[in-house]
Amino acid sequence: GENVEQHPSTLSVQEGDSAVIKCTYSDSASNYFPWYKQELGKRPQLIIDIRSNVGEKKDQRIAVTLNKTAKHFSLHITETQPEDSAVYFCAQADNNDMRFGAGTRLTVKP
Amino acid sequence: KAGVTQTPRYLIKTRGQQVTLSCSPISGHRSVSWYQQTPGQGLQFLFEYFSETQRNKGNFPGRFSGRQFSNSRSEMNVSTLELGDSALYLCASSLVVGPSTGELFFGEGSRLTVL
Repeated sequence: GENVEQHPSTLSVQEGDSAVIKCTYSDSASNYFPWYKQELGKRPQLIIDIRSNVGEKKDQRIAVTLNKTAKHFSLHITETQPEDSAVYFCAQADNNDMRFGAGTRLTVKP
Repeated sequence: KAGVTQTPRYLIKTRGQQVTLSCSPISGHRSVSWYQQTPGQGLQFLFEYFSETQRNKGNFPGRFSGRQFSNSRSEMNVSTLELGDSALYLCASSLVVGPSTGELFFGEGSRLTVL
């Protein structure tokens, strides 16, 4: 597998604004794209995922979009709240391994 | 249902020593994978075990090894420790084998410091 590039590394938004995190990958065999949230001192937890046969998936205030042609996928958080503050990791997986991005530290200012 | 349990939570070793970390998956989960987390590098895949067999392996040197027991518990070992091995080692379990099959449930990690 190849690495995943994640941007930005840090993101600060006002409460109520939207936040967007983008990831790009190069492995054409990738077929699964999860996003994990890691709050300070806690374990990573899956918040949303998408498979390669789907272009978009939404779960309340969180959505993920996938562009397989361009090999990038994005996490969108709307109406951000202070409890959304955490490090977010994107990942891409094929049948052999899962590669994570370096993470985005999101801070939501009240 | 109990979550993924990792022991020890914290440990300090010196260069050249070896270390063994333990992971107990969620009951019923048969796949266990290991990740190294360092600041700036994110999470890097070490290996995955299923039915006591290593199924997938990341790009780490042979000093990093692991095994899985018949009850699905897993251990990872790092020999000849180097300063750069200082990291949080996370274990994750899942119902089925394969990185692309679904959600990983992470433990709280074992924080290793190498002096």
